[in-house]
Amino acid sequence: DAGVIQSPRHEVTEMGQEVTLRCKPISGHNSLFWYRQTMMRGLELLIYFNNNVPIDDSGMPEDRFSAKMPNASFSTLKIQPSEPRDSAVYFCASRPGEAEKLFFGSGTQLSVL
Amino acid sequence: SQKIEQNSEALNIQEGKTATLTCNYTNYSPAYLQWYRQDPGRGPVFLLLIRENEKEKRKERLKVTFDTTLKQSLFHITASQPADSATYLCALAPDDYKLSFGAGTTVTVRA
Repeated sequence: DAGVIQSPRHEVTEMGQEVTLRCKPISGHNSLFWYRQTMMRGLELLIYFNNNVPIDDSGMPEDRFSAKMPNASFSTLKIQPSEPRDSAVYFCASRPGEAEKLFFGSGTQLSVL
Repeated sequence: SQKIEQNSEALNIQEGKTATLTCNYTNYSPAYLQWYRQDPGRGPVFLLLIRENEKEKRKERLKVTFDTTLKQSLFHITASQPADSATYLCALAPDDYKLSFGAGTTVTVRA
């Protein structure tokens, strides 16, 4: 099993540009999470999907952030327009069921200049 | 408000010694608590899960305790090795899905 796959691994963009982060969860997992990690705030949950349906997006910082899960094997997190304060490592994680461990991807290091 | 607090400082220990990490929480009533390991440039990796009705869990050189009265979990690495050097995160959820993480404790094991 390849694990959770995220792309790109690194993204450098200029303020105001649109950024799209991609995630392929582990096959058979029915829950998908997007987290953001910074030194100041640690790991923050942005949004959670269950069976491809967004269940809780209360962690999404503002309307500039949006996430989709069109099918069980793909999710995107989009930032439009991006700002320097969005610079962070964005992790995608999946799990097979409730009360189970999370499997994290390697993350996307985002730098907004 | 809900809080998860881990050892505020990095932990430096000599190889062979036991590292003890603390996770305290407030305003949660978790059904379980999890511990993860994170290496630089990598995503967190699951280590152990302990449920509210379990006092202790072991996995190889790792031991976790869970005291719901004290609202505390202790994570022990026995016979530590330089390869154990990493950041360790505790995580818990007020419900079944919204897993929240502590800030982590960075452990450095000196040879």
